[in-house]
Amino acid sequence: GENVEQHPSTLSVQEGDSAVIKCTYSDSASNYFPWYKQELGKRPQLIIDIRSNVGEKKDQRIAVTLNKTAKHFSLHITETQPEDSAVYFCAAVTNDYKLSFGAGTTVTVRA
Amino acid sequence: GAVVSQHPSWVICKSGTSVKIECRSLDFQATTMFWYRQFPKQSLMLMATSNEGSKATYEQGVEKDKFLINHASLTLSTLTVTSAHPEDSSFYICSARNPGNQPQHFGDGTRLSIL
Repeated sequence: GENVEQHPSTLSVQEGDSAVIKCTYSDSASNYFPWYKQELGKRPQLIIDIRSNVGEKKDQRIAVTLNKTAKHFSLHITETQPEDSAVYFCAAVTNDYKLSFGAGTTVTVRA
Repeated sequence: GAVVSQHPSWVICKSGTSVKIECRSLDFQATTMFWYRQFPKQSLMLMATSNEGSKATYEQGVEKDKFLINHASLTLSTLTVTSAHPEDSSFYICSARNPGNQPQHFGDGTRLSIL
């Protein structure tokens, strides 16, 4: 099955700085890569996603890059704000539509 | 659109009790729903894939006789934790897939506490 590794496990940044989270996956058949933000006790919320036929996607302060050859993808958050503090999960999906999650990154934005 | 409702949001019960959790897709038909379990400070782990009108597919290590899944209609899947014990205490989250589309849409989750 798919194995997704995510780093770092914790990330503390100063407000206004950028945050970068990196993930790798093992199954070359994976073709969809969503990123989720989860606040304590809440559901995961999709913040951005990328498909395997695209190398980069941006939505305001959030961007995701995908390197299919190396099987890694990254989340970039620019101009971080305190409300960006949460746990972020990357995931990979193959043709069976199952989500394989990374271990998560706890992001803390210091005011 | 694409709203998934999960009920109840919080359950506290005694050891040995069976607990049923419902997952409904409110504005779309979901042929496939997924059940996840999340322990504190850990990631979401897929327990099983629920297919409408057929038996659920369980992930390795998940006891199918303990976690009963029923997907009797295109908008409802249920997870029953049978004879729950304290080690079953966790956050259970369902998701539903709108056929032909990504992403999956998550319910609000159920916090299960077994005393």
